[in-house]
Amino acid sequence: EAQVTQNPRYLITVTGKKLTVTCSQNMNHEYMSWYRQDPGLGLRQIYYSMNVEVTDKGDVPEGYKVSRKEKRNFPLILESPSPNQTSLYFCASSNGRSNTEAFFGQGTRLTVV
Amino acid sequence: DAKTTQPPSMDCAEGRAANLPCNHSTISGNEYVYWYRQIHSQGPQYIIHGLKNNETNEMASLIITEDRKSSTLILPHATLRDTAVYYCIVKGQGGSEKLVFGKGTKLTVNP
Repeated sequence: EAQVTQNPRYLITVTGKKLTVTCSQNMNHEYMSWYRQDPGLGLRQIYYSMNVEVTDKGDVPEGYKVSRKEKRNFPLILESPSPNQTSLYFCASSNGRSNTEAFFGQGTRLTVV
Repeated sequence: DAKTTQPPSMDCAEGRAANLPCNHSTISGNEYVYWYRQIHSQGPQYIIHGLKNNETNEMASLIITEDRKSSTLILPHATLRDTAVYYCIVKGQGGSEKLVFGKGTKLTVNP
């Protein structure tokens, strides 16, 4: 079954404690991205990757890092989380060619206290 | 900013067709119209997309006006499980593949 898997689904952490949210896809997709969703602001892109070792900033990259060492994985790293990064996060993937659909993970609800 | 305008909310009776409109008056010739939906706080789910011709799949139909400045997503027989926020998104070919989500339409299907 084609899917994008995120872990963990829920996470409560403290300010400053580094964390990683993992994302894996099983469709051999070239393009992967991270979004955050906040009330009143909708879904906004954080970072994206067009292929292995190719990453770039989205609209709200501050405070985040990503890496793409393998095609299937695209982890989101918060080196020093702050309360304003409390949000619902989604990973997405697509084959990178136009005219195709994106697949989204089930989301990670992060709370930073 | 999103290039689309949608009504914030709509209601539909179970079993009836749900017609969700979307305006995209500034759409370019090579841009597609995509529809996604988000049920509660789950990940967005792809529904359908089109360029200029009407499209139909197992989930829905997409009607695009001849001038391509608006479109309608049709769920032919809405069920309670179709209650969700529906997003109309305009996306061009190539580029970052970024999806720009607006506020969408909250569709409530009533028994």
